[in-house]
Amino acid sequence: QVVLTQSPSASASLGASVKLTCTLSSRHSTYPIAWHQHQPEKGPRYLMRLNSDGSHIKGDGIPDRFSGSSSGAERYLTISSLQSEDEADYFCQTWDTAVRVFGGGTTLTVL
Amino acid sequence: QVQLVQSGAEVKKPGASVKVSCKASGYTFTAYYIHWVRQTPGQGLEWMGWISPKNGGTNYPQKFQGRVTMTRDTSSNTAYMEVNRLISDDTAVYYCVREDGGSSPFDSWGQGTLVIVSS
Repeated sequence: QVVLTQSPSASASLGASVKLTCTLSSRHSTYPIAWHQHQPEKGPRYLMRLNSDGSHIKGDGIPDRFSGSSSGAERYLTISSLQSEDEADYFCQTWDTAVRVFGGGTTLTVL
Repeated sequence: QVQLVQSGAEVKKPGASVKVSCKASGYTFTAYYIHWVRQTPGQGLEWMGWISPKNGGTNYPQKFQGRVTMTRDTSSNTAYMEVNRLISDDTAVYYCVREDGGSSPFDSWGQGTLVIVSS
């Protein structure tokens, strides 16, 4: 079964950029993923679908500060010009014929 | 705009059942699958299965087969998930999520429903 691996935490300064990583299991390196944001006390929000070639389709209203890229089995989410409201959990998700899978999530702290 | 609005928090005793609702608006209810996902305290997200609002078809991972039932009411654009024989490990926030078929990501989430199982 496909497995998604994320670092538990990340931090960056206000106004800076940060790049979060989601790694697919090697046998599933061509799978697309989705990035979601989960702010405290809110339901998660869909950010984008990210394909293996780096092309991505963002959800409605997602700012240009959020972008995605890919390299091999790694899928990246880059957030530029960090704002305080970007402090949240970010998790990746993928799908197979009969299963939906989540990464463990990365807690982003904005310093 | 697309909205999924869930029912309120519940407190249940072990062995009881809980039924959570998810009312959809802003799109054609029967055109998208509804999945259910839960997040237990300190743990990650766990997928619980899906229902097709179009025909009522369901699919549950083995862990939840026989204990989880997903239904829908197309007259009110509402999906339901019932969990039977609750145990303390079922204490979690439960989310309904929309998906445009099996080759697409989850693209809209409910606000979550906290279910506490405690004697």
